[in-house]
Amino acid sequence: AQSVTQPDIHITVSEGASLELRCNYSYGATPYLFWYVQSPGQGLQLLLKYFSGDTLVQGIKGFEAEFKRSQSSFNLRKPSVHWSDAAEYFCAVGGLGGFKTIFGAGTRLFVKA
Amino acid sequence: DGGITQSPKYLFRKEGQNVTLSCEQNLNHDAMYWYRQDPGQGLRLIYYSQIVNDFQKGDIAEGYSVSREKKESFPLTVTSAQKNPTAFYLCASSMSAREKLFFGSGTQLSVL
Repeated sequence: AQSVTQPDIHITVSEGASLELRCNYSYGATPYLFWYVQSPGQGLQLLLKYFSGDTLVQGIKGFEAEFKRSQSSFNLRKPSVHWSDAAEYFCAVGGLGGFKTIFGAGTRLFVKA
Repeated sequence: DGGITQSPKYLFRKEGQNVTLSCEQNLNHDAMYWYRQDPGQGLRLIYYSQIVNDFQKGDIAEGYSVSREKKESFPLTVTSAQKNPTAFYLCASSMSAREKLFFGSGTQLSVL
């Protein structure tokens, strides 16, 4: 079955610390991979995407993600977290037979001073 | 400005009532989607459409119906068969499978 797993429901990091949010997917082929961020009361904003080529992709706001085919993972990283990064982060997988796109359950990030 | 318009922003449903959520886009996108967002469960796919007059069930289609008579419009009907309809509903569109989804501002549906 096609699925996206974000194993961490919430994570708390100190401002200035590094961050890694985990994402694993289940699909027979290499899908299109996305990370979105949703701030309270706002819509979803694309951080980055991967569909081919270099497995380390750079996104907006200093985020990056690495695709690891052997682990079916697409983890999101940021070297130094800012208080404004506090939000909910969603991993998404697209191209699951045509245009089908599914999301993980999300990881809520809390940033402490 | 191009974008996706969802209406209404808030909607209340009575027992046994069908309600329809509107979604319109002027981005000329082929694909449109409906997601349901519940706390702790992320976005779950209800239905999606890749082209006019065609749509596919997502993971939680039971109790919902859609139509795609025009490229710009993809309304979602929450039927009386949906026993737990209270949720935040998001409509989205995309140009292709490898492109990002553009989201509307959502409709909060509650049961009276």
